[in-house]
Amino acid sequence: DVKVTQSSRYLVKRTGEKVFLECVQDMDHENMFWYRQDPGLGLRLIYFSYDVKMKEKGDIPEGYSVSREKKERFSLILESASTNQTSMYLCASSLLRWNTEAFFGQGTRLTVV
Amino acid sequence: KQEVTQIPAALSVPEGENLVLNCSFTDSAIYNLQWFRQDPGKGLTSLLLIQSSQREQTSGRLNASLDKSSGRSTLYIAASQPGDSATYLCAPNYGGSQGNLIFGKGTKLSVKP
Repeated sequence: DVKVTQSSRYLVKRTGEKVFLECVQDMDHENMFWYRQDPGLGLRLIYFSYDVKMKEKGDIPEGYSVSREKKERFSLILESASTNQTSMYLCASSLLRWNTEAFFGQGTRLTVV
Repeated sequence: KQEVTQIPAALSVPEGENLVLNCSFTDSAIYNLQWFRQDPGKGLTSLLLIQSSQREQTSGRLNASLDKSSGRSTLYIAASQPGDSATYLCAPNYGGSQGNLIFGKGTKLSVKP
């Protein structure tokens, strides 16, 4: 089975802190994604990567950056956390870009205080 | 802009009922469509993937259909059980430069014993 693992289930950070969310997949997938999920807004794409060191902005990249130094790992970085970044963050991966199944991690509930 | 609508937003049924969840999407130029399940506070679990060339896909008590030309998909759950209680999300994949999924807001299902 494909496994997508996010480093933390719950995180509490202070405003202004630099925050790293880590995601690892074990199936040699090319594509990796970061979404955030908020009540009433659904899932929104933050960033996505289709290869090592490659990244593409999604719908809401402001305030975030990403890093993909190795194929299996995709990191989401909040450069200076703010309270409006309190959310559920979901990582996903898929083998190829268009017609393959996407698999999600267990989610990270981030609270910024 | 591509949009996905899921109806109903919430559904409560007694155990044993067969039920249908609906998903409609505004742009029919999809590569595939995926149905997910999400339990409260957790990540997304992939249920079924239907390629654009397929009409149906089945897994156990679940059957998903796709009518690409009319922009609709349905998820049929047979003989519902309390363990089926969750939020169900559909997500067409439009490929393109991002290759990402566009999510509906989901249908929250409650199956009463």
